[in-house]
Amino acid sequence: DSGVTQTPKHLITATGQRVTLRCSPRSGDLSVYWYQQSLDQGLQFLIQYYNGEERAKGNILERFSAQQFPDLHSELNLSSLELGDSALYFCASSVAGSVNTGELFFGEGSRLTVL
Amino acid sequence: LAKTTQPISMDSYEGQEVNITCSHNNIATNDYITWYQQFPSQGPRFIIQGYKTKVTNEVASLFIPADRKSSTLSLPRVSLSDTAVYYCLVGGGTTSGTYKYIFGTGTRLKVLA
Repeated sequence: DSGVTQTPKHLITATGQRVTLRCSPRSGDLSVYWYQQSLDQGLQFLIQYYNGEERAKGNILERFSAQQFPDLHSELNLSSLELGDSALYFCASSVAGSVNTGELFFGEGSRLTVL
Repeated sequence: LAKTTQPISMDSYEGQEVNITCSHNNIATNDYITWYQQFPSQGPRFIIQGYKTKVTNEVASLFIPADRKSSTLSLPRVSLSDTAVYYCLVGGGTTSGTYKYIFGTGTRLKVLA
């Protein structure tokens, strides 16, 4: 158990819909990272937050948005869903703003299926 | 941001030592090298991290030459349960304070009985 909690574990929805994925980082971790992993693909970095502020953006679509709340939990919002958005969405957390001297702790992921 | 290159896949037999090499020619001075292991439908799990020379923990060793343009993850005496995808990551920090922790394609290790 990494200490990172993601909900829901599974989600099935239809094209055009909007969903929200939630992540609670490990106690004491200030940074939250979101990744997307499609079937048999690598992990695509989406976005990073540190103590409530956006720190870095990866290949995140304009239809996707995220935020980190004062209690440090984070939400990833996916809207106007397309079939290609079906994937595992991972949240990770780390203590510091930089991962250079620390490790990322990953949650178990939220599996999104868009029909 | 340093780009990493790893073999796509490797096969090994139980009890053998496995070495996976990662190339990162554009590594920056303040970049660390980190390796993760991922099983199907699970989040990646930290294996080991290093900056230079050699680092060893209870599960693996990491060898980094002086020029730091490559690194080698060494798994001693692998078992069937070591079958997984192994990712090499480099750096993440920039002078602007933004951090993009980008995974490469990884190496799919298959351990055979």
